[in-house]
Amino acid sequence: GAGVSQSPSNKVTEKGKDVELRCDPISGHTALYWYRQSLGQGLEFLIYFQGNSAPDKSGLPSDRFSAERTGGSVSTLTIQRTQQEDSAVYLCASSLIDNQPQHFGDGTRLSIL
Amino acid sequence: GQQLNQSPQSMFIQEGEDVSMNCTSSSIFNTWLWYKQEPGEGPVLLIALYKAGELTSNGRLTAQFGITRKDSFLNISASIPSDVGIYFCAGQGIQGAQKLVFGQGTRLTINP
Repeated sequence: GAGVSQSPSNKVTEKGKDVELRCDPISGHTALYWYRQSLGQGLEFLIYFQGNSAPDKSGLPSDRFSAERTGGSVSTLTIQRTQQEDSAVYLCASSLIDNQPQHFGDGTRLSIL
Repeated sequence: GQQLNQSPQSMFIQEGEDVSMNCTSSSIFNTWLWYKQEPGEGPVLLIALYKAGELTSNGRLTAQFGITRKDSFLNISASIPSDVGIYFCAGQGIQGAQKLVFGQGTRLTINP
């Protein structure tokens, strides 16, 4: 498709389980971002990838969160040993280069029981 | 994490009215952006502003990048039902970082 694609769209899991969220950026976009949106709140930055540079991980809330980007395209956000406070919508965005407008996917709604 | 101060938090207006919302920050940004989000979807870019003092329009939407680089406003003229949603401001470029810093959002409700 033409836009940022995220999967799954919804994920329900038990506390303590690990989850993987996937993001396919717009083709040709070199920069990729992950954000988290809690209910009724604005978006909170998690991590940023730009080309082959080291990612900016400054927004990851704990060491249970990690992300990788393979081949400069698809990215996976992994949350280990999930907690109830991890429940949120996880949004991915990409941009052509790092100072161009970011375009968002529709997110993964994560619910931890 | 850091957030911009966006106001108002919510607006209830009649169809056809004009709308104004704004964002302020204690920090300088190099870029200001305005997004709209509808239920179950990601934010959609409305307007991007790159220069202090810049005034940009996109149809019935007009946004300005404050001269101090610490604020921005968005106006919507002659509102229509499809304008309903949550509007977010976002700043980019603080201390060279490319991440977006978001406001808390303005929820717009329109009475037909």
